[in-house]
Amino acid sequence: GQQLNQSPQSMFIQEGEDVSMNCTSSSIFNTWLWYKQEPGEGPVLLIALYKAGELTSNGRLTAQFGITRKDSFLNISASIPSDVGIYFCAGSNYGGATNKLIFGTGTLLAVQP
Amino acid sequence: EAGVAQSPRYKIIEKRQSVAFWCNPISGHATLYWYQQILGQGPKLLIQFQNNGVVDDSQLPKDRFSAERLKGVDSTLKIQPAKLEDSAVYLCASRPLTGKNGYTFGSGTRLTVV
Repeated sequence: GQQLNQSPQSMFIQEGEDVSMNCTSSSIFNTWLWYKQEPGEGPVLLIALYKAGELTSNGRLTAQFGITRKDSFLNISASIPSDVGIYFCAGSNYGGATNKLIFGTGTLLAVQP
Repeated sequence: EAGVAQSPRYKIIEKRQSVAFWCNPISGHATLYWYQQILGQGPKLLIQFQNNGVVDDSQLPKDRFSAERLKGVDSTLKIQPAKLEDSAVYLCASRPLTGKNGYTFGSGTRLTVV
């Protein structure tokens, strides 16, 4: 099955640093979502984007829906230790037959206090 | 609001054995999904139900995997017989019929096939 390309694969940073990650697809979506997954848990939704070019924030997190509808970006500002986890992008075509999510390969974030 | 419940949390079986996973979605959520997440990868859809009907099972290995959602509420996913490559976390998610995302994932069942 299709998976989206996500980069970087992993990041090891110091507390307080800013983080950027991105996700690209060979096909277009009308919805982009960003999830965080911690060990032993399912993915938890962070930000949802519904319009090309849209820029949305959730606290220290900011995400953008690429204008080509084939990519999305997530930024985390002033990282803290509890930001540790795996971040996944997911694309979806809301209103389609299934609304299923196509996930990226994930970005592992480690934050050193 | 109670979340998506899954059981068991962990399961270890030998190859060629059978195993079943259970999911109880959020009350009132018409749509239920089973995803497979292999270590180091993102979740991949196995099957989607709307109420008790199958919407998409194109990625379900039907020679060994089966799923049902009797009465449009709880769902079970079965593997028979299991292979080593089935080792993964099996995630259940549910969402209401309307609304743009509204996905809620359970904590998953970690399956190890030895």
